[in-house]
This record gives sequence, structure tokens and C-alpha cells, in this order.
Amino acid sequence: NAGVMQNPRHLVRRRGQEARLRCSPMKGHSHVYWYRQLPEEGLKFMVYLQKENIIDESGMPKERFSAEFPKEGPSILRIQQVVRGDSAAYFCASSPPGQPETQYFGPGTRLLVL
Amino acid sequence: QQQVKQSPQSLIVQKGGISIINCAYENTAFDYFPWYQQFPGKGPALLIAIRPDVSEKKEGRFTISFNKSAKQFSLHIMDSQPGDSATYFCAASISGGYNKLIFGAGTRLAVHP
Repeated sequence: NAGVMQNPRHLVRRRGQEARLRCSPMKGHSHVYWYRQLPEEGLKFMVYLQKENIIDESGMPKERFSAEFPKEGPSILRIQQVVRGDSAAYFCASSPPGQPETQYFGPGTRLLVL
Repeated sequence: QQQVKQSPQSLIVQKGGISIINCAYENTAFDYFPWYQQFPGKGPALLIAIRPDVSEKKEGRFTISFNKSAKQFSLHIMDSQPGDSATYFCAASISGGYNKLIFGAGTRLAVHP
């Protein structure tokens, strides 16, 4: 059973461009969390999604950030018009049905904004 | 109230020694307290977790001690090994339909041979 997959692993964007980060949860998992980790800091919750539904986006910046988890395909975290402050590691985690506290993390996408 | 405070920021321990990392929280609604281990370039991996109904949980060389009245919990790594060198994060959450983890800032542990 493959773990949580994220791609790309590294992403370089210039200011003003768009960044798309993908997350494929573990097989059988339909719950996805996105967290952001700034350099030398802990992870900060961004958003929690179930298939086709955003359940909690309380940690998402109000502008430029959006997330989706379509019926088919990976979850996508989209950052429009990136700025240097968006440079961070973005992790997604998935949890199995009935075990919301057991979160398995992917390897992360390291975004660098030039 | 949503914060989890973790200390120390960094820790150096000799091989075979005991590593101790501490966390404190304010929100008494938290009822799930996991510890994660993260190696450079990797995602965090769940190490061990505890709920407030017990004061201690042990898994191999890793032990969580939990003090509900003080709102503190700690990770003890016995017989620390160089392979334990990593960053450790405590976290807390409120159980429900989903678990929004609130992480501490992390402790960078280095175990010297």
C-alpha cells in the first residue's frame, strides 16, 4: 500500500505566478489535510477536505489560496500570484475512515518563490 | 488558547542518554496528544500518542508522560541513538469528525556517538 504521495517535491516559481500542489491520499483514505511549514517552524493547519467537500478552511489565507479534492484524482492546493512569503514546505496528510486522529503525512512539496 | 508551546528548541544528547522534550497547552478541550518525528526532507511520521485518561504511555524506547492538571506532556527517549537524530513535534487536537492538529514549534535533537 503506497503512502501519501505529493508532487512535485520541489517547485520554483517567480513572484506573480501560480503554484499547483498535488496530493494523492493513501488507498482507501477519503480525508485530506493540508499543512504549511515555514522554515524553522512547526506545521500550521490550512484546510481539511473530504471528497468534493471543503469541511474546514479556517487556516487558509483569505486571498490567493484555494483547495479542492475532486471525486476523481488528487487533492490540489492552488496558490495564485505567489509572493516570497509563500515559500514554505506544504504537507498533506490523509486519514482512514473512522480514525481521524491517525494522520499519515506525505513527503511534502517545497515551494520556493523567487 | 490554540497554542502548543514546545521546549527546548534544540537538544544535544550523548548516545545512550535520555532525551526529554516538553510541551504545554492551554485549551482544556484538547484530548489527543501525538508526537511526530521528522527527518530532513521528509514528512512527519507519527511516533506515539496519548489521551488524557492515562498519565503515561510507553512504546519501546519512547514514553509519553502526561500531566493533566499542569496541562503539560513530555516525550522521553531512553537509550538515545544517533539514528534518533531528527526534529520532534508535539501536537494537540480535539477529537471529533476530524482532527485539526495544532503543532508545537519543534525540537531539533542531535544524538552524538
